[in-house]
Amino acid sequence: GEQVEQLPSILRVQEGSSASINCTYENSASNYFPWYKQEPGENPKLIIDIRSNMERKQTQGLIVLLDKKAKRFSLHITDTQPGDSAMYFCAAIASSGSWQLIFGSGTQLTVMP
Amino acid sequence: GGIITQTPKFLIGQEGQKLTLKCQQNFNHDTMYWYRQDSGKGLRLIYYSITENDLQKGDLSEGYDASREKKSSFSLTVTSAQKNEMAVFLCASSIRSWGGAGNTLYFGAGTRLSVL
Repeated sequence: GEQVEQLPSILRVQEGSSASINCTYENSASNYFPWYKQEPGENPKLIIDIRSNMERKQTQGLIVLLDKKAKRFSLHITDTQPGDSAMYFCAAIASSGSWQLIFGSGTQLTVMP
Repeated sequence: GGIITQTPKFLIGQEGQKLTLKCQQNFNHDTMYWYRQDSGKGLRLIYYSITENDLQKGDLSEGYDASREKKSSFSLTVTSAQKNEMAVFLCASSIRSWGGAGNTLYFGAGTRLSVL
């Protein structure tokens, strides 16, 4: 079936360093790419998104890059803090005609003090 | 702000049992969703509903039924629980029915299912 591939599945970084998560998607018509963060025991929440008319978006220590040609997008967390430890999901629009989001398999980020 | 309430928080069932999960939202959103979260598999869409009494199948609808009784509530039924099944079921809502920009999903805290 259609997939959004997300790597790595597990990521451990030292506090203060940066963390990067990469996703690839299949639907070339997808025009929206959100990122959701799920803290331990909590529900997923939207943290940043990017539309297909942009290549880069930055907000509060988060940077999202989009390469439409390669069908690849990525999340970069600069100056990581323990509060950034969480599960992160990328998503893109499915090509099934439903125009619903299809999520990646998630990245468990741990920021070590 | 609104809230999504899922009940129960924990559900323990027997193999073959029919199990029902409930979800209520007070965002006044038109669209509601049920996702299944498994370790290593992300969030997979089971059913969604764009208005009261509407049902749309997601990629994982086999083995499940759903019901949108009214705008604020959306229930999911596991038609026959599988032995040793463990998963988290997340309900969500959004203002619109398509996954484009501006249509943020708001998730509930989840129902954790274990089948003995």
